[in-house]
Amino acid sequence: GQNIDQPTEMTATEGAIVQINCTYQTSGFNGLFWYQQHAGEAPTFLSYNVLDGLEEKGRFSSFLSRSKGYSYLLLKELQMKDSASYLCAVRSKAAGNKLTFGGGTRVLVKP
Amino acid sequence: DAGVTQSPTHLIKTRGQHVTLRCSPISGHKSVSWYQQVLGQGPQFIFQYYEKEERGRGNFPDRFSARQFPNYSSELNVNALLLGDSALYLCASSLGQEKETQYFGPGTRLLVL
Repeated sequence: GQNIDQPTEMTATEGAIVQINCTYQTSGFNGLFWYQQHAGEAPTFLSYNVLDGLEEKGRFSSFLSRSKGYSYLLLKELQMKDSASYLCAVRSKAAGNKLTFGGGTRVLVKP
Repeated sequence: DAGVTQSPTHLIKTRGQHVTLRCSPISGHKSVSWYQQVLGQGPQFIFQYYEKEERGRGNFPDRFSARQFPNYSSELNVNALLLGDSALYLCASSLGQEKETQYFGPGTRLLVL
């Protein structure tokens, strides 16, 4: 089976940086995704990593280490609108295109 | 271009009833996946369809069924509703079956009383 762990909640200050960690156990790893989900809304795609290293997209960056089963999402220059849940999801070759999600990390940005 | 669309947006049913949820994928996308998200948790995989065939099934009872139509839209059916079926039901579409990013629709919020 697959197991994905991420912290339940994090708090940070507007303008600061927050790093959300995700650890996973899976066979046949075939990619890791980060989604942002505002309360009551659908998840929106943020980033995708399949090879080791850092992917940068504006204020958001995502890192992957396949040997360690570890990823993080880095949010820089935090804005109030970044308050949301951040979902880590893993895809495995053994499961087609099925995504297995962690429980999500709720980030609260304070002024 | 329109994103993934789902209908209805909200639904209230009573225990034992049946429900049909609908999803239209992004134009050109041939794969549709369904997820259930209970409040405070991450989405849980229910089904994946690609080219009108079931390509994956999650750990859900047989009360849950789905199908995909020739235009790649999809329906999720749930029979004999239980209180625990109350959740946000998300549809996600992708170009293909295995390697592409999934994009989510706005979801259908189902409340079972």
